[in-house]
Amino acid sequence: EAGVVQSPRYKIIEKKQPVAFWCNPISGHNTLYWYRQNLGQGPELLIRYENEEAVDDSQLPKDRFSAERLKGVDSTLKIQPAELGDSAVYLCASSSTGANTGELFFGEGSRLTVL
Amino acid sequence: GENVEQHPSTLSVQEGDSAVIKCTYSDSASNYFPWYKQELGKGPQLIIDIRSNVGEKKDQRIAVTLNKTAKHFSLHITETQPEDSAVYFCAASKTGFQKLVFGTGTRLLVSP
Repeated sequence: EAGVVQSPRYKIIEKKQPVAFWCNPISGHNTLYWYRQNLGQGPELLIRYENEEAVDDSQLPKDRFSAERLKGVDSTLKIQPAELGDSAVYLCASSSTGANTGELFFGEGSRLTVL
Repeated sequence: GENVEQHPSTLSVQEGDSAVIKCTYSDSASNYFPWYKQELGKGPQLIIDIRSNVGEKKDQRIAVTLNKTAKHFSLHITETQPEDSAVYFCAASKTGFQKLVFGTGTRLLVSP
């Protein structure tokens, strides 16, 4: 079974440029998460989707960040314009609401460097 | 909101020794406490979890203990192996697993 797939793995951009990250969750997982992981820190939740509905976006900086999950499968996280402080690893995770465990399955992440 | 503190930030042990990582949480309503292992260039992976109605859980060489009164929980790894070298994160949630608050991580290095 394929895991959570993210792309690109690495992205280097100049500040004020836009950037987008893509995530394909594990097949059948209806819950999708975007986390941001700063260097030397734990992941911090940005947004959580249940199917195509964003049920928790309280920590998403809405002035420059946006996300969508069309058709309740793949998701895209966009930053426009990027700032120096946005340099981090953006992790996508998925889980199955119907599962009896609390396991989140993470992708390998997209590392963003803003110059 | 919930705040999770994790110690130590780095831990070096010899192969075969035991390793203990400790976390404290602030919200007494938290009821789910997972531990994730993150290898270099990879996403975190769940290794063990515990719910607030259980005081201890063990899975082969790893175990987790929970003290609800003191609001702290610990990860114990026995007979450490070089492949245990990674960054370990504790986390806490009061809404099941849907809104995890992670600690800052512990870099474990197991030397042969």
